[in-house]
Amino acid sequence: EVQLVESGGGLVQPGGSLRLSCAASGFTVSNNYLSWVRQAPGRGLEWVSVIYSGDSTYYADSVKGRFTISRDNSKNTLYLQMNSLRAEDTAVYYCARGGLGPYDYWGQGTLVTVSS
Amino acid sequence: AIRMTQSPSSLSASTGDRVTITCRASQGVSSYLAWYQQKPGKAPKLLIYAASTLQSGVPSRFSGSTSGTDFTLTISRLQSEDFATYYCQQYYNHPRTFGQGTKVEIK
Repeated sequence: EVQLVESGGGLVQPGGSLRLSCAASGFTVSNNYLSWVRQAPGRGLEWVSVIYSGDSTYYADSVKGRFTISRDNSKNTLYLQMNSLRAEDTAVYYCARGGLGPYDYWGQGTLVTVSS
Repeated sequence: AIRMTQSPSSLSASTGDRVTITCRASQGVSSYLAWYQQKPGKAPKLLIYAASTLQSGVPSRFSGSTSGTDFTLTISRLQSEDFATYYCQQYYNHPRTFGQGTKVEIK
């Protein structure tokens, strides 16, 4: 059974950093496209980043230069390193399988709150 | 970025009703369009991809169609478990973009 479990969210001050993790099971992260999608409170879905199976990465303009997507194949885990966090980064962050095509599996989400 | 515009933003319907949600792309996305359902506090769920292909396990009352840059999600007979918010998403190019969502509420 495919599962994605996010962790690492929490409260952080503006300008701070946080690393989100997404542990995958039921499939291998190394040969799949994986993405991060976020949802601000009461708002719609916003694509954040994708990592391709060949390690190419893409980012939304709103996070480019501040966020880094990566994966650890030995741990079958996806990461999102978030630096220079802003209030507008406050959201539930979902990891999802997919990125070239649609997102067929999603994690349960982890809440990131950026506030002083 | 390709803008995806959904209409309506919300609608009220009764169980058994036929519901139609439209998504318009600001430029051509071929058939690289997906529909998702999201319930409060839950992750989105993939319903349809390639504009009209039903994801495995999704009830057949859901269907998708396309006409140029206009895409339609239809629920043929609304069930109680279908009350949720629906999003379209294009995966034609980067950045991937979603519609703003359509909330389907109980009349």
